[in-house]
Amino acid sequence: AQKITQTQPGMFVQEKEAVTLDCTYDTSDPSYGLFWYKQPSSGEMIFLIYQGSYDQQNATEGRYSLNFQKARKSANLVISASQLGDSAMYFCAMREEAAGKSTFGDGTTLTVKP
Amino acid sequence: DSGVTQTPKHLITATGQRVTLRCSPRSGDLSVYWYQQSLDQGLQFLIQYYNGEERAKGNILERFSAQQFPDLHSELNLSSLELGDSALYFCASSVAKGDIHNEQFFGPGTRLTVL
Repeated sequence: AQKITQTQPGMFVQEKEAVTLDCTYDTSDPSYGLFWYKQPSSGEMIFLIYQGSYDQQNATEGRYSLNFQKARKSANLVISASQLGDSAMYFCAMREEAAGKSTFGDGTTLTVKP
Repeated sequence: DSGVTQTPKHLITATGQRVTLRCSPRSGDLSVYWYQQSLDQGLQFLIQYYNGEERAKGNILERFSAQQFPDLHSELNLSSLELGDSALYFCASSVAKGDIHNEQFFGPGTRLTVL
């Protein structure tokens, strides 16, 4: 079974609007971390935001927030006030404590329109 | 700049050959991870080293091997290369061993093309 599912291969958003990128995960490990990374066309992987499985509050980092719904096993990334520079591929990833390795989703390509 | 360096940036070689990719982690990071990103397989975790010891293994082929040296730099060796090994290979580093709480910092990647 897919451990990380990103159901939106591509998304479009108008500049200055908010956008939500979906991520669902599957694990039986009670201790895990969820991460979002951005990969622009230049290829580098940029860490955006982290949420721990025991965290009570949703993580926020500037314009990025993570909508963590543990019971539904979802960890959606919300980007507020989209900018043209946000156009990139976005990956959701999970690291399980017991397994000790990371699993990445297939990614969502976000295009911000002027 | 993440502080993780990888060399070379690009590598073009032929099938059957062997190559070595090099990675220097961020100062102070003890864990090094290797990933392969290809169009058909996405981003796949290959292997992790922590302070010189293998910590976790992912989808790493037997033709591939890695090690982490006392100065914490790491090398990924790919042998008997096939066309399907063409990919972007990332190295990442982090401070700790378990790392469910710590982000990994990715290097710029090495683009391997096998002809």
